[in-house]
Amino acid sequence: NAGVMQNPRHLVRRRGQEARLRCSPMKGHSHVYWYRQLPEEGLKFMVYLQKENIIDESGMPKERFSAEFPKEGPSILRIQQVVRGDSAAYFCASSPRTGNTIYFGEGSWLTVV
Amino acid sequence: ILNVEQSPQSLHVQEGDSTNFTCSFPSSNFYALHWYRWETAKSPEALFVMTLNGDEKKKGRISATLNTKEGYSYLYIKGSQPEDSATYLCAFINAGNMLTFGGGTRLMVKP
Repeated sequence: NAGVMQNPRHLVRRRGQEARLRCSPMKGHSHVYWYRQLPEEGLKFMVYLQKENIIDESGMPKERFSAEFPKEGPSILRIQQVVRGDSAAYFCASSPRTGNTIYFGEGSWLTVV
Repeated sequence: ILNVEQSPQSLHVQEGDSTNFTCSFPSSNFYALHWYRWETAKSPEALFVMTLNGDEKKKGRISATLNTKEGYSYLYIKGSQPEDSATYLCAFINAGNMLTFGGGTRLMVKP
């Protein structure tokens, strides 16, 4: 049973470009969470999704950021018109249902130059 | 946004010392409390899932207790080893399914 898979592991984007980060949850998991780790900070919640639904996006910046978890395929975190401050590690996690342990992917490191 | 606090923020101990740190969370609307261990450049790894007031869980030299009525959980490490050096995160889940991480306690164990 493969773990949570994130790709790309490392992404470099110029200011103004778009970044797309993908997350495939563990088999059988229908809950996906995205977290951001800024340098020298802990994990910050961004968004919680179930298949085809955004449950809680209270941690996500209102502009330029969007997330989806379609019926088929991975969850995608999309950052439009990236700025230097978006440089961070983005972690995805999944769980089979609420309250269960969440399992993390290895993270995607975004660098904006 | 729920208030989940961890203290201390960082901790330096000598190899062999026992240590503990705290996670405080809202005492109402409790559903579960998780502890994770997070090493630099790796993904967080689950340690414990705690759901009942008075729960005590143990995994090797690491154990945790839970008090949902007063809103705190303790993580204990007995006889710390250098490989225990990591950030320890707690995550509070409320009855509305919202999961909130604390800021973490960064533990450094000196040989």
